Amino acid sequence: GAVVSQHPSWVICKSGTSVKIECRSLDFQATTMFWYRQFPKQSLMLMATSNEGSKATYEQGVEKDKFLINHASLTLSTLTVTSAHPEDSSFYICSARQGGTGELFFGEGSRLTVL
Amino acid sequence: SQKIEQNSEALNIQEGKTATLTCNYTNYSPAYLQWYRQDPGRGPVFLLLIRENEKEKRKERLKVTFDTTLKQSLFHITASQPADSATYLCALANTNAGKSTFGDGTTLTVKP
Repeated sequence: GAVVSQHPSWVICKSGTSVKIECRSLDFQATTMFWYRQFPKQSLMLMATSNEGSKATYEQGVEKDKFLINHASLTLSTLTVTSAHPEDSSFYICSARQGGTGELFFGEGSRLTVL
Repeated sequence: SQKIEQNSEALNIQEGKTATLTCNYTNYSPAYLQWYRQDPGRGPVFLLLIRENEKEKRKERLKVTFDTTLKQSLFHITASQPADSATYLCALANTNAGKSTFGDGTTLTVKP
C-alpha cells in the first residue's frame, strides 16, 4: 500500500513556541491530505483538509490562525501549531488518499507535549 | 445530527474464536464505509472498504458486511489471534473524495 511519513514522531516544546509537523506521501502524489487530532482513548477528530496549492479547509471550531496548514507540493503538507499551550498537547495524525480509491493512508502520528 | 457508534468500547475474546465488531450510524447516506486498525501510539492502518451497493467483503480472515437499511456494518475476524489485539475504527464517507468521519473505536483483546 501507499506510504505516508510523518515527522517528527514526538516533540516537546515550551509554552509560547511554535511547532511544525510534516506529512509526506512517499510513493504517490496527494492533492488532498487530512489532519487529525486524537486524545487518549478517543477517536480521530478531523481538524482540516489540506489542499495542494490552495487554502486549507478547517473544521468548525478549529482556529486557522492557531493551526497553520501549508500544502506546497503534491507530496508534502505541514501543520504548524503556533504559540503552543499545554492544552495543545495531543497526538496529531495526517492522512492522504491515493487516487480515487477511497481508503486513507495514515502517517505514524506526532505526539506533541507542551510544557 | 450525524452520529457513528461502535457497539462497545472493549471486547475480550479467546484465541481462535470469531470477533464481531459493530458500527451503527444515523443521519448519514454514506458512499462507502471503511474499517481501520490502530495500535497504541500509531496511526491507523486501512483494512477494508465496502461501498453502499455492496453487501459483504472479505480479505483473508476479515469479513465486513454493510446493511444500509439497518444503517449498520459488522466487522468479523475469524480464528482470532493475540496479534489481532488492537483498536478497530469504522469510518464513513459521503463521497469518494470527501472527508471521512470516524467512530470512537472498539478495543479488541484476544487472550491466548
